[in-house]
Amino acid sequence: EAGVAQSPRYKIIEKRQSVAFWCNPISGHATLYWYQQILGQGPKLLIQFQNNGVVDDSQLPKDRFSAERLKGVDSTLKIQPAKLEDSAVYLCASSPGSLGGTFSEAFFGQGTRLTVV
Amino acid sequence: GDSVTQMEGPVTLSEEAFLTINCTYTATGYPSLFWYVQYPGEGLQLLLKATKADDKGSNKGFEATYRKETTSFHLEKGSVQVSDSAVYFCALTNYGGSQGNLIFGKGTKLSVKP
Repeated sequence: EAGVAQSPRYKIIEKRQSVAFWCNPISGHATLYWYQQILGQGPKLLIQFQNNGVVDDSQLPKDRFSAERLKGVDSTLKIQPAKLEDSAVYLCASSPGSLGGTFSEAFFGQGTRLTVV
Repeated sequence: GDSVTQMEGPVTLSEEAFLTINCTYTATGYPSLFWYVQYPGEGLQLLLKATKADDKGSNKGFEATYRKETTSFHLEKGSVQVSDSAVYFCALTNYGGSQGNLIFGKGTKLSVKP
């Protein structure tokens, strides 16, 4: 079974530039998550999708971050404009569960390491 | 809000030593508890989990018991190997909130020396 695919693996941009990350979840997984992991900290949820609808985006800085999951499969996360404090690893994860069902496990991609200079 | 606190690292052990990584949590309701591991250059992988009080999760020689009375989920292994060197994250998800929204601790880096 193919895992969660993310690209690019690494990205270096200057502050105020824009950047986009792509995620392809495990086939058939209804739930998709984007997490931000700052160096030395645990991952923090940015946004959660159930199929192509947003379940939770309460911690997404909406003035600069946006995400979409067209057709309930692939997802993109965009930052515009980037700030120095956005330097982090952006992790995509998916799980097969549905709302009201039993959460079993989230499967993570390798992440995209973003450096803002 | 819900939170996870785990012992800070790094932790350095010799091969075959006993490992304990402490994890405590704060949560309303009845969370499920997890240990995830991140090997160098790889993504987060589920190591083990427990979904209710007194459950014991186990995998690859690692164990953790869900202790509601002490709100703890400490990770243990009787004899570590060099290949166990990684960063370990304790996490919870609370069905009272967003389904599957994992709340992570800061991680503990383990280095095992031959």
